[in-house]
Amino acid sequence: RKEVEQDPGPFNVPEGATVAFNCTYSNSASQSFFWYRQDCRKEPKLLMSVYSSGNEDGRFTAQLNRASQYISLLIRDSKLSDSATYLCVVNTGGFKTIFGAGTRLFVKA
Amino acid sequence: NAGVTQTPKFQVLKTGQSMTLQCAQDMNHNSMYWYRQDPGMGLRLIYYSASEGTTDKGEVPNGYNVSRLNKREFSLRLESAAPSQTSVYFCASSEDRGYGYTFGSGTRLTVV
Repeated sequence: RKEVEQDPGPFNVPEGATVAFNCTYSNSASQSFFWYRQDCRKEPKLLMSVYSSGNEDGRFTAQLNRASQYISLLIRDSKLSDSATYLCVVNTGGFKTIFGAGTRLFVKA
Repeated sequence: NAGVTQTPKFQVLKTGQSMTLQCAQDMNHNSMYWYRQDPGMGLRLIYYSASEGTTDKGEVPNGYNVSRLNKREFSLRLESAAPSQTSVYFCASSEDRGYGYTFGSGTRLTVV
């Protein structure tokens, strides 16, 4: 079992749709959680940290469920510019940070 | 707004050649990292430097060496390149462990 697992997609959604990604992690001692966005042939960029209480940044909402060991990312009112690969990232302590393989999102007009 | 600067952006090597990838950050971050990214796989940690003067192996260190030259700079060296090292390499930095990363723009390396 991979330490961090994501549905690779692709998710194909129309503009204005709401889309949700889930990510599961295997290490119950994991301490910090993030979502990154990576455009084609570009570097990953930090989208948001994920806190136990959940957090929101504009159209993006991240949730953490420690009991079930998953994190989620919800994107509302999808834009064409949201098309990218979304990486789930889990820090299991110290400098051990595990990146998921990513979920591809295509938003179409 | 430089952030993390990596050079070169592209490189083609012949098997057995050596090269050094350079990385510098201007955010006064303590920690720096080298990752490789291969199709269908997540980023994998090659080496990291928790702070100036320290380096440690990551998940896939074989065939690589690193130097933390000062707080700003962290280089990755391939002593004898192999085709299995064909990949995209990213340098990253963070304030400390457990914090989010800022990545450089990557180096696309092909070993023939």
